[in-house]
Amino acid sequence: SQQGEEDPQALSIQEGENATMNCSYKTSINNLQWYRQNSGRGLVHLILIRSNEREKHSGRLRVTLDTSKKSSSLLITASRAADTASYFCATASISGYSTLTFGKGTMLLVSP
Amino acid sequence: EAGVAQSPRYKIIEKRQSVAFWCNPISGHATLYWYQQILGQGPKLLIQFQNNGVVDDSQLPKDRFSAERLKGVDSTLKIQPAKLEDSAVYLCASSHPSSLGGVSGNTIYFGEGSWLTVV
Repeated sequence: SQQGEEDPQALSIQEGENATMNCSYKTSINNLQWYRQNSGRGLVHLILIRSNEREKHSGRLRVTLDTSKKSSSLLITASRAADTASYFCATASISGYSTLTFGKGTMLLVSP
Repeated sequence: EAGVAQSPRYKIIEKRQSVAFWCNPISGHATLYWYQQILGQGPKLLIQFQNNGVVDDSQLPKDRFSAERLKGVDSTLKIQPAKLEDSAVYLCASSHPSSLGGVSGNTIYFGEGSWLTVV
């Protein structure tokens, strides 16, 4: 079963604009991670935010986490054509081993 | 550091045939995962190993799928017999095991995937 649900399913923007993707989940988590997947490739880890953190930055990426609303957002600032990819949120549950459950993803298209 | 290696990259088989995928995780990673990703969807966990023991195989269709991780390093995923709906990318991933609970977290490293088409 998939825990995370990304919104929107697809997003099309121009280079230089910001892109915001949202993720909602259902059960309590240990941490939430965002991954990127270029067409035909494997997933690449972008950023991890722990359940006791509210915001995290990495380069042009900004992630927020609201555990009371069970939601997270990924902001990519000053987007580039190379950012074109699918973006997935994945949640790690509190109990048991560190299994990640992925959402269905947001497909981002950045046009030059 | 070498990444997660998978083979073959692409495979086309007829329904009812069998197929096997191989994965070599990052050196030192005790945890190994097999995910299935159907086109347009997110990855779904099939099986998770901790060393050579199975931690979670609740979503593995055990009537046709099997996986093993002998010696706690390489792993193989087998499908026999294949169905049309098995057409997907099979992603292997590995990670260091993290402490249970708490907020330590861990990162999973993925291979490039093995693309299966069942015709």
